[in-house]
Amino acid sequence: AQSVAQPEDQVNVAEGNPLTVKCTYSVSGNPYLFWYVQYPNRGLQFLLKYITGDNLVKGSYGFEAEFNKSQTSFHLKKPSALVSDSALYFCAVRDRSDSWGKLQFGAGTQVVVTP
Amino acid sequence: NAGVTQTPKFRVLKTGQSMTLLCAQDMNHEYMYWYRQDPGMGLRLIHYSVGEGTTAKGEVPDGYNVSRLKKQNFLLGLESAAPSQTSVYFCASSYGGLAKNIQYFGAGTRLSVL
Repeated sequence: AQSVAQPEDQVNVAEGNPLTVKCTYSVSGNPYLFWYVQYPNRGLQFLLKYITGDNLVKGSYGFEAEFNKSQTSFHLKKPSALVSDSALYFCAVRDRSDSWGKLQFGAGTQVVVTP
Repeated sequence: NAGVTQTPKFRVLKTGQSMTLLCAQDMNHEYMYWYRQDPGMGLRLIHYSVGEGTTAKGEVPDGYNVSRLKKQNFLLGLESAAPSQTSVYFCASSYGGLAKNIQYFGAGTRLSVL
């Protein structure tokens, strides 16, 4: 079974400060890892993914995430947050042995960026 | 670019009524998924389809049925709605192969069952 934990319901950060959204995962095999973002009244949008290779993954809108196998983590980061980054962020994991592309999502972390 | 389109956007049902949610994608994707989103629980997979005419159960399939008669459409049915099915429903689709890992989402259907 696979699972994802996002330990923070909400993250508050001032505009211009670094933003980190935490994610840890559990899978029986090797994982594919993803971050999605949801703006109010919208569907989820893909931000970035880790499949293989470099542990530091760069994605859309200046976001990046670091895969840490020993800590089973995949934290999302942005060096300088914008007010427009305020949204709900979801981490998701897929076991590589799953042929059907099913994703297991975390509960989500609300990011609030204040001017 | 339409992408993934869900209809309706909002619906209010009475307990015991039935309805069908429609998902349509214009990206020629093989895989399609239905999720429900509830506060504090993230997205949970209801049913999915890996091709026309094939469907499978996800994490929370009870009370729902699905059909994929055409490649571009994936229907989610509630035969007898219950208040526990009040939720926001999202449809997603993806390609096959490695690219299938990226799922593209519709804007959602907000359903209230009274």
